[in-house]
Amino acid sequence: EVQLVQSGAEVKKPGESLKISCKGSGYSFTIYWIGWVRQMPGKGLEWMGIIYPGDSDTRYSPSFQGQVTISADRSINTAYLQWSSLKASDTAIYYCARGGRRDFGYFDYWGQGSLVTVSS
Amino acid sequence: IVLTQSPGTLSLSPGERATLSCRASQSVNSNYLAWYQQKPGQAPRLLIYGASSRATGIPDRFSGSGSGTDFTLTISRLEPEDFAMYFCQQYGTSPALTFGGGTKVEIK
Repeated sequence: EVQLVQSGAEVKKPGESLKISCKGSGYSFTIYWIGWVRQMPGKGLEWMGIIYPGDSDTRYSPSFQGQVTISADRSINTAYLQWSSLKASDTAIYYCARGGRRDFGYFDYWGQGSLVTVSS
Repeated sequence: IVLTQSPGTLSLSPGERATLSCRASQSVNSNYLAWYQQKPGQAPRLLIYGASSRATGIPDRFSGSGSGTDFTLTISRLEPEDFAMYFCQQYGTSPALTFGGGTKVEIK
């Protein structure tokens, strides 16, 4: 069974750093793209970026380029999303999702979401 | 590519037909258009990919159609569990694989 299990909820202060995780199981982790999607409170879905764990090829939406860093550790089947300096506007639920094999693809499996709250 | 979904809210009764629209600002490559359902407090679920192919386990009352810039998700007869948010997504043009703003299907 394909599963993506994300790290738990985080409460941080503005300016702090954060790294959240997404662990895949039940499939060959290195040969599918893994994407990250933001959902701000009461809002829609925003595609942030995507990584190919096999070679760490990473692409970002222009809206998120320079704001976050996506990485992966294929030895433990885990992808990461990190911030070096959080802002209140980063408060959202962040989902990881499995993309395609050859191209970015649609997202067929999703993690449960990680709630990030940034507040002073 | 900007995806515009309409209507913003659809108020219908169980058993009725729902027709949701997703319009793209430019042609979607290879009809790489997906639809997702999201219920409160849950992650999105893939319904349709390639504009018209149902994902695994999705009931046949859900169907997708369209090409180019105009796409439609149809729910033939609404079941109580179908009242939710629906998002379209294009995955044919990078660098950003955009989502539409969503349509809420609510009980009338």
